[in-house]
Amino acid sequence: DQQVKQNSPSLSVQEGRISILNCDYTNSMFDYFLWYKKYPAEGPTFLISISSIKDKNEDGRFTVFLNKSAKHLSLHIVPSQPGDSAVYFCAADRGSQGNLIFGKGTKLSVKP
Amino acid sequence: SQTIHQWPATLVQPVGSPLSLECTVEGTSNPNLYWYRQAAGRGLQLLFYSVGIGQISSEVPQNLSASRPQDRQFILSSKKLLLSDSGFYLCAWSEGYSNQPQHFGDGTRLSIL
Repeated sequence: DQQVKQNSPSLSVQEGRISILNCDYTNSMFDYFLWYKKYPAEGPTFLISISSIKDKNEDGRFTVFLNKSAKHLSLHIVPSQPGDSAVYFCAADRGSQGNLIFGKGTKLSVKP
Repeated sequence: SQTIHQWPATLVQPVGSPLSLECTVEGTSNPNLYWYRQAAGRGLQLLFYSVGIGQISSEVPQNLSASRPQDRQFILSSKKLLLSDSGFYLCAWSEGYSNQPQHFGDGTRLSIL
């Protein structure tokens, strides 16, 4: 039973445009959400997070939006750059010792 | 600043052989520590986590075990590897309180022959 779902395995975007990565979750007990970026043969790198008491968090080119009623979050990257090409993982925390539940990832390709 | 070291980067082992993967964290004290596995085409699955020395919690039943002999050292072990143990193993740490991001090492690619 997948509690965190990333339904798009891949996404292709032109350089300079917006990339929107989506994530859905099923467990209403999740109270903290994170996005990670992963290059091949490396560990995931933390990008940005959001607490369930907020609906938006912004850090430079990255913005995460949370819609609790829809159990949906998204990551916006503006403007997209070729170096953003990687696999992006959404994760959710149940608040119990930081046990993150990860989605399966979305591979973003930003074309020059 | 905090750093996490994980080794080896790659490992090829025969079925039935033992395993020991080590992870150490620097620049912080009393972190939460985690072992994950990423199988091909799948997301990250939490295997073990630890909130202190000698305290290990297992998320899934398996052929592996974990130990935390020191505050910033986390070890993943197996007495006899199975083919199904192949995968990408990641160690991570976080601050020891809620709603903190986890920070990952570069992982170990384990291939069982």
